[in-house]
Amino acid sequence: EIVLTQSPDFQSVTPKEKVTITCRASQSIGSNLHWYQHKADQSPKLLIKYASQSFSGVPSRFSGSGSGTEFTLTINSLEVEDAATYYCHQSSSLPYSFGQGTKLEIK
Amino acid sequence: EVQLVESGGDLVQPGRSLRLSCVASGFTFEDYAMHWVRRAPGKGLEWVSGISWDGDNVGYADSVKGRFTISRDNAKNSLFLQMNSLRAEDMALYYCAKDLGQWLTPKAYAMDVWGQGTTVTVSA
Repeated sequence: EIVLTQSPDFQSVTPKEKVTITCRASQSIGSNLHWYQHKADQSPKLLIKYASQSFSGVPSRFSGSGSGTEFTLTINSLEVEDAATYYCHQSSSLPYSFGQGTKLEIK
Repeated sequence: EVQLVESGGDLVQPGRSLRLSCVASGFTFEDYAMHWVRRAPGKGLEWVSGISWDGDNVGYADSVKGRFTISRDNAKNSLFLQMNSLRAEDMALYYCAKDLGQWLTPKAYAMDVWGQGTTVTVSA
């Protein structure tokens, strides 16, 4: 089973700040890594697919990079509406899995 | 409008069974793999199970393997999750999610459409 470990678990940030969230896989997963945003009382939303491909309709301040075992989600110029929990997800091999989540609080 | 609507969540006693359903609309259901994902209270997202477009390939998280069964009825645009021998740790909000691709193996893709979820409570 592939384990995804995100860091940090929690981050308190100010608007316009740049945020970087890291996801490390316990074994190589190529580019089969996706990022989701999950706000309370809403369904998760796909932000980035295949490590670096922006999903349709997602603001350009969200970007992803990485391959193999280390991946990064970057949010440039954070906005208040970006307060949420962010998850990485691997679809490389069964059982598929999510990271534990990174909660972003806006100061 | 592309939509997934889950139902079937309820309060059940430990050891009992429950069947969740998810009805899809606004897209060609039979063309895509589908998944169940859950979020337990105070916890993060957990992938539970997935099924290929034709139902021939299925997969399960280790935590539910042998107790849960995923299935689909493409004629009715419906996805199901049969949950047996329920435990307290199965208590969660269960989401139905659409995959971007058809297959579950050798790999799936990302999940681009999610339902609002249905709540399963396991308590004596």
